Amino acid sequence: GAVVSQHPSWVICKSGTSVKIECRSLDFQATTMFWYRQFPKQSLMLMATSNEGSKATYEQGVEKDKFLINHASLTLSTLTVTSAHPEDSSFYICSALDQNSNQPQHFGDGTRLSIL
Amino acid sequence: GEDVEQSLFLSVREGDSSVINCTYTDSSSTYLYWYKQEPGAGLQLLTYIFSNMDMKQDQRLTVLLNKKDKHLSLRIADTQTGDSAIYFCAVSSGGGADGLTFGKGTHLIIQP
Repeated sequence: GAVVSQHPSWVICKSGTSVKIECRSLDFQATTMFWYRQFPKQSLMLMATSNEGSKATYEQGVEKDKFLINHASLTLSTLTVTSAHPEDSSFYICSALDQNSNQPQHFGDGTRLSIL
Repeated sequence: GEDVEQSLFLSVREGDSSVINCTYTDSSSTYLYWYKQEPGAGLQLLTYIFSNMDMKQDQRLTVLLNKKDKHLSLRIADTQTGDSAIYFCAVSSGGGADGLTFGKGTHLIIQP
């Protein structure tokens, strides 16, 4: 079945560091990918929609300069958390839409980000 | 915007059926999903239903959709200990091309 790979799965870094998370669709092309955030014991909240070849669309309240999204190819979207601080610690999950099928969104396994 | 509601906990005995309920507010929701999340893990797609369907069955899983009441349910037959997890209801509009709105998740607890 369709697979979405997310890397890294876990990252711990110091406050002020920028962290890049990759989301790849392995066996299909995705013009649209989505980035979600999940706080401990809470639901997933959509952060932004990543569109190949164009700017991402951010949800209300999400700082676009803080969470940089790049979708440079049909199989890769990246989320960069710039100058990360402890409050950015969270579980980040991406999903991808197969552009050639009527399938549901396929999710990666998530990235657990801990900022010290 | 869309609002999706689920009860937070459900406790069932092993071997019984589990029914997890979900309500949503946007009548234009086109795809409705059920995901499973085990501790520390990502999301596993269990099943999904298109808004023009009333029911979908896949092995032990049965999804029922009542569009009039904007109510979605997931029934797990013969619940096993391995079914213990958090179950998220999620909905999408825009023909399925939009980001998903998730409920808060229902923690399914299995009693021996």
